[in-house]
Amino acid sequence: NAGVTQTPKFRVLKTGQSMTLLCAQDMNHEYMYWYRQDPGMGLRLIHYSVGEGTTAKGEVPDGYNVSRLKKQNFLLGLESAAPSQTSVYFCASSPRGNTEAFFGQGTRLTVV
Amino acid sequence: GESVGLHLPTLSVQEGDNSIINCAYSNSASDYFIWYKQESGKGPQFIIDIRSNMDKRQGQRVTVLLNKTVKHLSLQIAATQPGDSAVYFCAENSGGFKTIFGAGTRLFVKA
Repeated sequence: NAGVTQTPKFRVLKTGQSMTLLCAQDMNHEYMYWYRQDPGMGLRLIHYSVGEGTTAKGEVPDGYNVSRLKKQNFLLGLESAAPSQTSVYFCASSPRGNTEAFFGQGTRLTVV
Repeated sequence: GESVGLHLPTLSVQEGDNSIINCAYSNSASDYFIWYKQESGKGPQFIIDIRSNMDKRQGQRVTVLLNKTVKHLSLQIAATQPGDSAVYFCAENSGGFKTIFGAGTRLFVKA
C-alpha cells in the first residue's frame, strides 16, 4: 500500500518556467491538499480539494493552480516560477475534513 | 488572529527520559488538535489527536493533554528513544478543511 506518492522528488527550475507536481493516493480519500513548508514557518495550505472535480484556495494560493480530474490524483501547477516559490511541497489526503491527514514524501523545488 | 505556536523550538533529552513538547493556540473555536512527527527528508506522520470534548488521550508511549482554559496543548513521550528524534508539529482545526500548523519543535535524543 503506497499511500500518498509525489512526483518528482526534486526539481530545479529557472525563473519563469512552468511545471506540474503530481500527487497520487490509493486510499480512496475524498480530500486532498497541497502544502508548502518553509524554514521556521510550518506548513501552509496552498490549495485543497474536497472531492473529484472540486478545488478551493488555501492560505497561500497566489502563483499556483490545481486540478482534481480524478479522485486519486491532485495536480499542483506553477505557471511562471519565481524564486519565492522555492520550498518543499507536500501533498496530503484525508478521508474527510477535520481528521488526520496522510502526507507524501515531499518535493523539494528550487527556483533560480 | 489564528495562530499556533510552540514554546520551545528545540528540545534535547536523554534517552530513557520523558519528553514534553508544548503548544499554544489562539483560536478558541478550534475543536480538533493533532500532533505530527516529521523525520528528516520525510513527510509529517500522524502521532495522536484529541478533540475538544476531551482533556487527555493516550497512545503507545505518547499522551496528549489539552487545556482549553489556557489554550494549551502538550505532547508527552514516555521513555524517549533515539528513533523519536524528529520535528514535532501541533496542528489545530476549527472545522472544515483548514488545519493550521505550528512552526515545529525539534527533539534531540541523546544516547
